[in-house]
Amino acid sequence: NAGVTQTPKFQVLKTGQSMTLQCAQDMNHNSMYWYRQDPGMGLRLIYYSASEGTTDKGEVPNGYNVSRLNKREFSLRLESAAPSQTSVYFCASSVDRVYGYTFGSGTRLTVV
Amino acid sequence: KNEVEQSPQNLTAQEGEFITINCSYSVGISALHWLQQHPGGGIVSLFMLSSGKKKHGRLIATINIQEKHSSLHITASHPRDSAVYICAVFSGGGADGLTFGKGTHLIIQP
Repeated sequence: NAGVTQTPKFQVLKTGQSMTLQCAQDMNHNSMYWYRQDPGMGLRLIYYSASEGTTDKGEVPNGYNVSRLNKREFSLRLESAAPSQTSVYFCASSVDRVYGYTFGSGTRLTVV
Repeated sequence: KNEVEQSPQNLTAQEGEFITINCSYSVGISALHWLQQHPGGGIVSLFMLSSGKKKHGRLIATINIQEKHSSLHITASHPRDSAVYICAVFSGGGADGLTFGKGTHLIIQP
């Protein structure tokens, strides 16, 4: 099925461990995004990539790095996980920012 | 930065009731999105509005640009409508241009 695929769906990390969240889209979208969702808060942008080869910081980039491997794939890396990074992470892509986004199913990350 | 307020934060209703969820924003926008998120699930786009009204099945979305306000209505509500409904406004500025509301948690009881 066409769309945005995120892996893994669930992950538990110990403080200080590292991991990479994977995201791939097959809709030929130029722009891709990583958001985090926390209770009582709206979705917040971590990083985005307007096109292959470019990445830029969003609202809450500290503690994260990203790679736009090719047009399809946009990964999010936590180098040294902290409990404050416990959240649900969503990847999204868009062909045009105005007309809408397609979201992945989310990754529920717990850092203990 | 645009401020987006949704009301109510939580809503519990009986099956069949007419539901209204509101979204207000502080700065002029190019477009407004309504999104749906089922428990433990992904986020699905329901509507994109820049003016007027759109209808899809039992869902109706309206926007009043002058009032900086949008509403999402659900007619003949059903337990499968239970979800979090999120309003997001596109102002064109910033990295992605989107500001998200905190969501309205809707529960429809049979």
